[in-house]
Amino acid sequence: AQRVTQPEKLLSVFKGAPVELKCNYSYSGSPELFWYVQYSRQRLQLLLRHISRESIKGFTADLNKGETSFHLKKPFAQEEDSAMYYCALSGGGSNYKLTFGKGTLLTVNP
Amino acid sequence: SQTIHQWPATLVQPVGSPLSLECTVEGTSNPNLYWYRQAAGRGLQLLFYSVGIGQISSEVPQNLSASRPQDRQFILSSKKLLLSDSGFYLCAWSRQVVNTEAFFGQGTRLTVV
Repeated sequence: AQRVTQPEKLLSVFKGAPVELKCNYSYSGSPELFWYVQYSRQRLQLLLRHISRESIKGFTADLNKGETSFHLKKPFAQEEDSAMYYCALSGGGSNYKLTFGKGTLLTVNP
Repeated sequence: SQTIHQWPATLVQPVGSPLSLECTVEGTSNPNLYWYRQAAGRGLQLLFYSVGIGQISSEVPQNLSASRPQDRQFILSSKKLLLSDSGFYLCAWSRQVVNTEAFFGQGTRLTVV
C-alpha cells in the first residue's frame, strides 16, 4: 500500500522566517514524490518533483529514503506563499496511482 | 496544448437522485485519468483512476462508480446519492510516463440535500 502523511494541518509563520512542511511516506518500492500547491481560487498545480532536484519559488525538497520523508523547505517565507500544500506519491514505473496527503495550510503573516 | 474540462462547476441534488459528473481531456492521447474528492481535514482522497478505456481501479468502496467510455472521457456516477456524497470533486490527468505531472480540473462542488 502507498500512503502519504502530512502531520500538520495548519502552519503559520511570519514573513522572512524559514518554513518546513513535513511529509512522510510509506511505499515498498521506489516512489516518485511530488509537492502540489493550491493558491486561493486557483487550480491545484505541481510545485516540484523529487527527481528534478530543483528549486521552485525558493522551495526545495529532499527525498530521504532512510527516514521515508520528503519535507518541503524555504529559507525565507513570503506572504504570497500562503496556500494549501499537498505532498503526493506515485508508485513509479507502470504504477500510475497517485496518492496525496491530507495537506498543510500555510499562512505567512506580514 | 492540453486542457481538461470538468462540469458542472456546482450541482445541488436531492438525496436518492442519480449523479453524473463528466471530465474530458483535449490535446493528448491515452492519458491516466483520476477522480478525487477534496474535503477539509481529509485532503485529496483518490476515488478512482484509469490507465485506459474500460480500465477502472476503485480505491474507496462507496456509493460511487466511474467509467471511461472513450480515451479522454472519465465519468463519475451514482445511482442514488447520499448526504455523505456532498463534497468537492476533482478530475485530473497525467501522461503515461515516469515522474509525470498531474493536471487538475477546476472541480465540481456537489451538495446533496
